[in-house]
Amino acid sequence: EAQVTQNPRYLITVTGKKLTVTCSQNMNHEYMSWYRQDPGLGLRQIYYSMNVEVTDKGDVPEGYKVSRKEKRNFPLILESPSPNQTSLYFCASNRDREREQFFGPGTRLTVL
Amino acid sequence: KNQVEQSPQSLIILEGKNCTLQCNYTVSPFSNLRWYKQDTGRGPVSLTIMTFSENTKSNGRYTATLDADTKQSSLHITASQLSDSASYICVVRPGSSASKIIFGSGTRLSIRP
Repeated sequence: EAQVTQNPRYLITVTGKKLTVTCSQNMNHEYMSWYRQDPGLGLRQIYYSMNVEVTDKGDVPEGYKVSRKEKRNFPLILESPSPNQTSLYFCASNRDREREQFFGPGTRLTVL
Repeated sequence: KNQVEQSPQSLIILEGKNCTLQCNYTVSPFSNLRWYKQDTGRGPVSLTIMTFSENTKSNGRYTATLDADTKQSSLHITASQLSDSASYICVVRPGSSASKIIFGSGTRLSIRP
């Protein structure tokens, strides 16, 4: 089944404790993106990747890192999480810039 | 500044009724416009896509329209069902390859039995 998976789905952590949210897609897509979704603000892009070893900042990259060492994986790293990073995070992939994005199930992160 | 605005923010209708959601955008140049459906706690799923030259696209009980001159799109839902309760997000892709896609903040639709 073609899909985007994220882990973990739910995470509660404390300020400053490094964490990684994994994202994997099995559709051989070139493009992958990370978004955060907050009430009233809609989806905002954090980082995106156009191919292996090619990443770029989105609209809200501060406090986040990403890597794209393999085509299928695009982990999101929070080196020192803060409470303002409490949010619902989505990973997405698409075959090319014009095609539909396929979204993962989301990761709900709470930083205390 | 490229923007996408959706209205209303939320809407409650009775099961079986029709409804129309609005999307206005200021993106120029314009490549395509998608409507996504997002069930609570899940990722968005694409419903329709329209390019500049298209003015209507249907997907079952969902019909999207586009007026590229006035930069407006609408999503019409016919004979609503309880499973239509979700957020509906309008997403516009600019025509410039250097520009990122722009998400509207969504309309939260609730269908009451």
